Amino acid sequence: AQTVTQSQPEMSVQEAETVTLSCTYDTSESDYYLFWYKQPPSRQMILVIRQEAYKQQNATENRFSVNFQKAAKSFSLKISDSQLGDAAMYFCAYIPLDTGNQFYFGTGTSLTVIP
Amino acid sequence: EAQVTQNPRYLITVTGKKLTVTCSQNMNHEYMSWYRQDPGLGLRQIYYSMNVEVTDKGDVPEGYKVSRKEKRNFPLILESPSPNQTSLYFCASSSPTSVPPDTQYFGPGTRLTVL
Repeated sequence: AQTVTQSQPEMSVQEAETVTLSCTYDTSESDYYLFWYKQPPSRQMILVIRQEAYKQQNATENRFSVNFQKAAKSFSLKISDSQLGDAAMYFCAYIPLDTGNQFYFGTGTSLTVIP
Repeated sequence: EAQVTQNPRYLITVTGKKLTVTCSQNMNHEYMSWYRQDPGLGLRQIYYSMNVEVTDKGDVPEGYKVSRKEKRNFPLILESPSPNQTSLYFCASSSPTSVPPDTQYFGPGTRLTVL
């Protein structure tokens, strides 16, 4: 079974500091994508960053970067220079490439940014 | 503007009264999905569709129906809603040829309450 685990239901960070959100996943597939989505209070799901499993280089999008450890099945999100607008629920998600389009989401981490 | 739309955004209904939540995308995506989001459980996939007339069950399909008669539309039908279907529902679409590929684009969500 495919599962995605986010072990931190809640996290907090001081404004301008760095925070890391953890995600692990369980799969027997070799080809897949991993995602981090942000859900602010508006409830809209916003793509933050995406990683292809075949790429060894960690994805980066401005202040957001990931630490992808394929052997450990770990996919953590690092937010640098945290801003008040980063406060949201963050979901890790996984999709295997050869099973259609079935996405698997973690249970989410609620991030609070302290001014 | 590329988007996924859902209607209604909010709905309060009573047990047993059939309802349909519509979903439409204007990006010519092949794949469409429905999710429900519940506190502490993250997003769980209800049904997904890989193309017109092709649908499949996700993780929590009981009590729901879908249809995919047109590429752009993927309605979610609750034939006899029950209180345990009170949730936040998201429709999403994606495509292998989208940029980036296989990334889910989400609608704004529908808050459903079944009394």
